[in-house]
Amino acid sequence: EVKLVESGGGLLQPGGSLRLSCAASGFTFSTYWMNWVRQAPGKGLVWVSRIKTDGMITTYADSVKGRFTISRDNAKNTVYLEMNGLRAEDTAVYYCARETPLPGNYFDLWGQGTLVTVSS
Amino acid sequence: EIVLTQSPGTQSLSPGERATLSCGASQSVTHNYLAWYQHKPGQAPRLLIYGASTRATGIPDRFSGSGSGTDFTLTISRLEPEDFAVYYCQQYGNSPLTFGGGTKVEI
Repeated sequence: EVKLVESGGGLLQPGGSLRLSCAASGFTFSTYWMNWVRQAPGKGLVWVSRIKTDGMITTYADSVKGRFTISRDNAKNTVYLEMNGLRAEDTAVYYCARETPLPGNYFDLWGQGTLVTVSS
Repeated sequence: EIVLTQSPGTQSLSPGERATLSCGASQSVTHNYLAWYQHKPGQAPRLLIYGASTRATGIPDRFSGSGSGTDFTLTISRLEPEDFAVYYCQQYGNSPLTFGGGTKVEI
């Protein structure tokens, strides 16, 4: 079965750190760009970060630049999101999403998400 | 960045009715690179449409996308019970990619 499964969410205090993982299965992970997208409570979807197939190119939304780091381990079919300096506004469900191999970065496979809550 | 505005925020309909969801862009979307997703609570979002009008693999033909430039529409011709969900548009023609705020289709 083709799927993405996120893990690592939890309750953190402001300023804390957390690493999210997204395990892929059922497809050749190393050939796909991967992304993280988040959804704050009651809000819409917001793109967070993107990583190339070999990990050599990464991009970030301005709101997380310098605090979040995306990485991947193709041997483990896993993409990660290291989050530092967490703020209340980072509270959200975080989804990993596979980018289509066709032209254009839209997402043809999503995980079910993992909840990150930042609160004192 | 391109701001996508979806309307209405909520659409109350019955099974068998037609749903028409709008997505307006603050500037023209390059190559009409616009996608639509369906999202149900606790589930992974599902790609419905890409390139403004191309159905993704396995998507029923009651879902159709249209539009170009700054105005796009997702139409569900006859609502099935499983279609009640939140729908998001996303543009990927300009960086950064952005999503609309969503339209909830409820019974």
